[in-house]
Amino acid sequence: DTEVTQTPKHLVMGMTNKKSLKCEQHMGHRAMYWYKQKAKKPPELMFVYSYEKLSINESVPSRFSPECPNSSLLNLHLHALQPEDSALYLCASSRDSFGTGDTSNSPLHFGNGTRLTVT
Amino acid sequence: GENVEQHPSTLSVQEGDSAVIKCTYSDSASNYFPWYKQELGKRPQLIIDIRSNVGEKKDQRIAVTLNKTAKHFSLHITETQPEDSAVYFCAASWTRGGNKLVFGAGTILRVKS
Repeated sequence: DTEVTQTPKHLVMGMTNKKSLKCEQHMGHRAMYWYKQKAKKPPELMFVYSYEKLSINESVPSRFSPECPNSSLLNLHLHALQPEDSALYLCASSRDSFGTGDTSNSPLHFGNGTRLTVT
Repeated sequence: GENVEQHPSTLSVQEGDSAVIKCTYSDSASNYFPWYKQELGKRPQLIIDIRSNVGEKKDQRIAVTLNKTAKHFSLHITETQPEDSAVYFCAASWTRGGNKLVFGAGTILRVKS
């Protein structure tokens, strides 16, 4: 069982389609993340939301558009993707993006991911 | 930015033997070092983590050590079992850019029975 739920599990889309990936957590975490993972590679950070505000954008192309409607939900809107965007898209959450007074960080809890194929 | 190097890229051990995976990081300001296990087709799962004010942490068959001076940390798995076979990622928390995890390239661990 995972406490971070991602839908859909699989998505096939054409280069002209518009689709959205959804992520939900009910652990009270105030930081949420999108990662992209290609086969046999580590997860690559795309976006970080902290307290529903975008705090990090790792120079991601504008065809990926994140949205955080509330503290439990995170969306990733996709438009005009390229075949090389095919990957596993992982959502994660953590207790706090900015940590405590000693700037320590808390663990990321990952969802099961959405396997995206762009044709 | 932060850079995390991980070795070896693949590791094969006999069931019951120990496995050690090593990582180095570049930014002395990094203060949190988790390890994730990812089985084929599944999500990364945290198996152990360590903070910069601690030198060693153990959880049953898994232990992590941290040497801040040398900027390296290691994962030790004792009495390996076939179910330990997976990809293991180390990571370092980089705080200068807004608190983000930087992952190592990963180690494929195969435990032969």
